[in-house]
Amino acid sequence: EIVLTQSPATLSVSPGERATLSCRASQSVSSNLAWYQQKPGQAPRLLIYGASTRATGIPARFSGSGSGTEFTLTISSLQSEDFAVYYCQQYNNWLTFGGGTKVEIK
Amino acid sequence: EVQLVQSGAEVKKPGESLKISCKGSGYSFSSYWIGWVRQMPGKGLEWMGIIYPGDSDTKYSPSFQGQVTISADKSISTAYLQWSSLRASDTAMYYCVRRDIAMVIFDYWGQGALVTVSS
Repeated sequence: EIVLTQSPATLSVSPGERATLSCRASQSVSSNLAWYQQKPGQAPRLLIYGASTRATGIPARFSGSGSGTEFTLTISSLQSEDFAVYYCQQYNNWLTFGGGTKVEIK
Repeated sequence: EVQLVQSGAEVKKPGESLKISCKGSGYSFSSYWIGWVRQMPGKGLEWMGIIYPGDSDTKYSPSFQGQVTISADKSISTAYLQWSSLRASDTAMYYCVRRDIAMVIFDYWGQGALVTVSS
């Protein structure tokens, strides 16, 4: 099973600042990586797939990068609605989720 | 508009059985895999299994194989997650999800169903 490790567990950021989240895979997943956002009390929603392709309706301030074992989700200028938990998910070898990064207000 | 609408919250006792549902609409239900994802209180996401309603082909995560049963009735566009004997450790939010047609990513999510197992 491919293990995904997300860091940091919690990221404290001020509104308007940039947030950088990391996801590391225990073995290469090529570009078969997705990111999801989960706000409190809501179901997750798909943000990014193919490591860097935004899903329908996702604002341009969200961007994904990386391949192989190292991936990054960047939120260029945090808005109030972006404070949430973010999960990565690999689909190169069936599928697994990372443990999540909580982005909180600083 | 694609929608996945799940059945409501459940409160059960250990040892009881349960079947929760997920009704799809706004797309060809038979043509997309439907999966289930568990989220225990305060924890992350865990994939449980997935079914193709068109032919009921089902795949389970090794962690959930034998613990739950996933089924679907394409005639009523509904998928199910079933337990024969609940345990307290099954207390969680359960989401049904639609798998993208080409990739194993989940493009639509149900609203979730909270299952509480307590004596």
